[in-house]
Amino acid sequence: DTEVTQTPKHLVMGMTNKKSLKCEQHMGHRAMYWYKQKAKKPPELMFVYSYEKLSINESVPSRFSPECPNSSLLNLHLHALQPEDSALYLCASSQDRVRGTEAFFGQGTRLTVV
Amino acid sequence: AQSVAQPEDQVNVAEGNPLTVKCTYSVSGNPYLFWYVQYPNRGLQFLLKYITGDNLVKGSYGFEAEFNKSQTSFHLKKPSALVSDSALYFCAVRPLDSSYKLIFGSGTRLLVRP
Repeated sequence: DTEVTQTPKHLVMGMTNKKSLKCEQHMGHRAMYWYKQKAKKPPELMFVYSYEKLSINESVPSRFSPECPNSSLLNLHLHALQPEDSALYLCASSQDRVRGTEAFFGQGTRLTVV
Repeated sequence: AQSVAQPEDQVNVAEGNPLTVKCTYSVSGNPYLFWYVQYPNRGLQFLLKYITGDNLVKGSYGFEAEFNKSQTSFHLKKPSALVSDSALYFCAVRPLDSSYKLIFGSGTRLLVRP
């Protein structure tokens, strides 16, 4: 199984809402990632978890709150977002601490903030 | 500074013809290089990578890439393009000081016409 599953596929939320994005993988990967991608642009790294601990936070605003409940799951909690946060949010996973490893990406959640 | 450049925003090719998508990199030391493809409203799919060894790397869906150290290039190639290859292609390099980060190029849209 080389799949990273993200739910939901689409999400529309108001600026006062609280919502969560979910990501799951069963490849035994211990590194998991959140990326943000705007249209026709490359993905931008947001967070990296290594062995369920937050390893990298790329200065992401606190309205985005990641959580890694266990080695297979990754959540991204959203609160008080702005319209400019509308984007495709991608989850990825990889082997941990192996520089030559590739990342496997989910299909993404298309988020629209209204 | 480490970086990746994809000099062409778009590449147009006729079905059945060979295709090349260009990528050049700037990184000190031995580069770890990756190619990903993204279809509309989907996540990134890993195509191939160069870590070490043979300069010609074969990947998924008939794609291959040639690593050229003297020209600091890692061009993606396919002998015979398919209409279904039309997508957005990203080249990426892993920084020397990270097992997690990927520095992406700006992306190249490949359009294969029937």
